[in-house]
Amino acid sequence: AQSVTQLGSHVSVSEGALVLLRCNYSSSVPPYLFWYVQYPNQGLQLLLKYTSAATLVKGINGFEAEFKKSETSFHLTKPSAHMSDAAEYFCAVSPETNDYKLSFGAGTTVTVRA
Amino acid sequence: DAGITQSPRYKITETGRQVTLMCHQTWSHSYMFWYRQDLGHGLRLIYYSAAADITDKGEVPDGYVVSRSKTENFPLTLESATRSQTSVYFCASRGGVLAFFGQGTRLTVV
Repeated sequence: AQSVTQLGSHVSVSEGALVLLRCNYSSSVPPYLFWYVQYPNQGLQLLLKYTSAATLVKGINGFEAEFKKSETSFHLTKPSAHMSDAAEYFCAVSPETNDYKLSFGAGTTVTVRA
Repeated sequence: DAGITQSPRYKITETGRQVTLMCHQTWSHSYMFWYRQDLGHGLRLIYYSAAADITDKGEVPDGYVVSRSKTENFPLTLESATRSQTSVYFCASRGGVLAFFGQGTRLTVV
């Protein structure tokens, strides 16, 4: 079984400040990990993925995430927030086996203050 | 157009009515999924399919029916809609590591 916990349902940051979104997973097997972003009234867009290669993963729009097996974490960061980063962010996990199901966290809404 | 499309984008229906949400993908991906998105719950898996004519329940399947007679289509039917099924529904397909999502269907049951 696998599950994802996102700490903090709502994060508010100032423009130019660090964005840090936390994700912890539990998985019985080594996982694939993903971060998705959802803008209002839109579908989910992939930000980045971890697939057992480099533990520091770079994604689109300046985001990156670090896989830490010892902490079972995959936190998402961006050094300098932009107004366009206001959205909802989802962490997701899927095992490396033939189980193709994605399990999602509850999501974190990011607001950016001018 | 290549991709994954859902229809309708918006739907209002009455309690007790049957409603079908459509999902079509052009990649011939084997796996397809239906999720519902509710505040505080993220996305929860309703049903998924590993191939044509192979479907299985996800986390919240009660009240829903799926079929997959063709690889590219994966309709979701609410047999008798209830207010608790008011939600945003997302279809997704996956052929490898990556999953691709449709734009969603916002369903309101009144």
